[in-house]
Amino acid sequence: QQQVKQSPQSLIVQKGGIPIINCAYENTAFDYFPWYQQFPGKGPALLIAIRPDVSEKKEGRFTISFNKSAKQFSLHIMDSQPGDSATYFCAASGALSGSARQLTFGSGTQLTVLP
Amino acid sequence: SAVISQKPSRDICQRGTSLTIQCQVDSQVTMMFWYRQQPGQSLTLIATANQGSEATYESGFVIDKFPISRPNLTFSTLTVSNMSPEDSSIYLCSVATGSRSPLHFGNGTRLTVT
Repeated sequence: QQQVKQSPQSLIVQKGGIPIINCAYENTAFDYFPWYQQFPGKGPALLIAIRPDVSEKKEGRFTISFNKSAKQFSLHIMDSQPGDSATYFCAASGALSGSARQLTFGSGTQLTVLP
Repeated sequence: SAVISQKPSRDICQRGTSLTIQCQVDSQVTMMFWYRQQPGQSLTLIATANQGSEATYESGFVIDKFPISRPNLTFSTLTVSNMSPEDSSIYLCSVATGSRSPLHFGNGTRLTVT
């Protein structure tokens, strides 16, 4: 029940394309859903996050779509650039995790944006 | 966001030895956590570092293998004890300034055990 399932495992798009990464969860107590971006040799960096009271959040070229009834959320990257090539992790946490910030991470998606 | 410094950034260690990883934050934070990321894998929470008391370990992780200290609100250490090649991973320190604050990560310590 604590799992967060992420797909696809890897994704290749052309520059300017819109890669979409999907995540699904089971635990209805989750109330915070961040996305992290990780470049090789670096720690994960918080990209954008959403709470279940909204269905969409945009920050620059990054958009999270959230479907509470389906228990799914996704990351869209508009006008993708080669510099967006990285591994992306979705995550979730909530009160039942024991701590509001004990995140459960998805398995990661390796995104490659071709020039 | 807080600046998180981890030392060492990488190390190669022999089987049976121990390594202590340091995490220093440039400001006081409420929560500090230690994660493990095996090569090409996701992140797994090892434990919550509690200031002035014993760390809270997740299932599959024990204090004898991963002793943790947190003497104040800006510093923590994680020791990987009696290492085996299976301990080869990236160990990440993460912090949050409050229970409703975002979680931020250091750049990790890349450990290889031979």
